[in-house]
Amino acid sequence: GDSVTQMEGPVTLSEEAFLTINCTYTATGYPSLFWYVQYPGEGLQLLLKATKADDKGSNKGFEATYRKETTSFHLEKGSVQVSDSAVYFCALTGTYKYIFGTGTRLKVLA
Amino acid sequence: DAEITQSPRHKITETGRQVTLACHQTWNHNNMFWYRQDLGHGLRLIHYSYGVQDTNKGEVSDGYSVSRSNTEDLPLTLESAASSQTSVYFCASSGGTDLYEQYFGPGTRLTVT
Repeated sequence: GDSVTQMEGPVTLSEEAFLTINCTYTATGYPSLFWYVQYPGEGLQLLLKATKADDKGSNKGFEATYRKETTSFHLEKGSVQVSDSAVYFCALTGTYKYIFGTGTRLKVLA
Repeated sequence: DAEITQSPRHKITETGRQVTLACHQTWNHNNMFWYRQDLGHGLRLIHYSYGVQDTNKGEVSDGYSVSRSNTEDLPLTLESAASSQTSVYFCASSGGTDLYEQYFGPGTRLTVT
């Protein structure tokens, strides 16, 4: 069945460091891909998305490119801030149902 | 502003008791979902609904039930709570202009003692 694999966390970075969180997927057909973010004590919020191969999603300085050839959707940010500390979830869907990865906790130190 | 709310936010109950968690959305979305979040598992789908009177089982539906009598609400019932059901529960909805984007509630932390 469909699945999403994310890198294990936690990821700890200093402020202004470069961030990469790896995400790979297995799916039949052509799923849409998403990154959601969860701040402490809150529900998940959509961060960015891509609906077809080679699409790049971007928001708040974060980017991810839908790579069909490597079945990947890695999340990147050039310069992280303390306020980016959160849990990040990669997800896919080909219908209305989502398949989520296990989440990657990011901690950014001042 | 449209929103999705959950109640209660925190609940402690005893093994064997029936518990109902409420989810209410004012987005007028057709699709609603219940997930549980556990360390090491991410979010797992419990039940979902694509409209009034429609309910479907997700990957971890044993011990849970839902009913959809209107567009706004999808209550989740634990028929006989078990310690393995201690978790954080999230409700979500979708069906706006971006059919696939899900909007999440703030979560309910349930502890079964």
